[in-house]
Amino acid sequence: GAGVSQSPRYKVAKRGQDVALRCDPISGHVSLFWYQQALGQGPEFLTYFQNEAQLDKSGLPSDRFFAERPEGSVSTLKIQRTQQEDSAVYLCASKQVGASGRGNEQFFGPGTRLTVL
Amino acid sequence: KQEVTQIPAALSVPEGENLVLNCSFTDSAIYNLQWFRQDPGKGLTSLLLIQSSQREQTSGRLNASLDKSSGRSTLYIAASQPGDSATYLCAVGGETGANNLFFGTGTRLTVIP
Repeated sequence: GAGVSQSPRYKVAKRGQDVALRCDPISGHVSLFWYQQALGQGPEFLTYFQNEAQLDKSGLPSDRFFAERPEGSVSTLKIQRTQQEDSAVYLCASKQVGASGRGNEQFFGPGTRLTVL
Repeated sequence: KQEVTQIPAALSVPEGENLVLNCSFTDSAIYNLQWFRQDPGKGLTSLLLIQSSQREQTSGRLNASLDKSSGRSTLYIAASQPGDSATYLCAVGGETGANNLFFGTGTRLTVIP
């Protein structure tokens, strides 16, 4: 596709429910990132994939958060037993793996706004 | 951990004015720096990317500079327009690992017609 797409755009969950958020990166982009953006804050890094390999998950706030990218394209961020503090916008970004220039630019999707009641 | 600060947090200017947004970061070991705009309820639109070896980048009315050694970047917007109203985010990419971005909290810009 022309850009990064995410679905759903909005998700309301009751506390304790599991949710799954989907990201479709730009075709051919090797790197994929997930970020969490709380209201009024800048995005914060959650996890990083290079192809299907999850190379960095240091930003995941708890073991309730799980991400996968089994075929190296589409990625899913899963949150188990959601809590109110999980309410945020979840952003996905992709980039080409390149040594310099445009290859290092991250392109972001529109985000999924998660509200936990 | 890399800390990114943006000043001011909010800015209102009349249409046509030139303006400067500031970004500072604590660790100068960066790979690149990227400026984004974010419209309410929307994702991030990339404006400019500066590699660590570069001093500035220009795109239309936008010019971004980078002083890596002092940990500073500025985004200059010439002849501001109401359509420029948005939140502007500065993000630095780490030198190692995933090169994930560390973001500031943004500057909310309002251009008054």
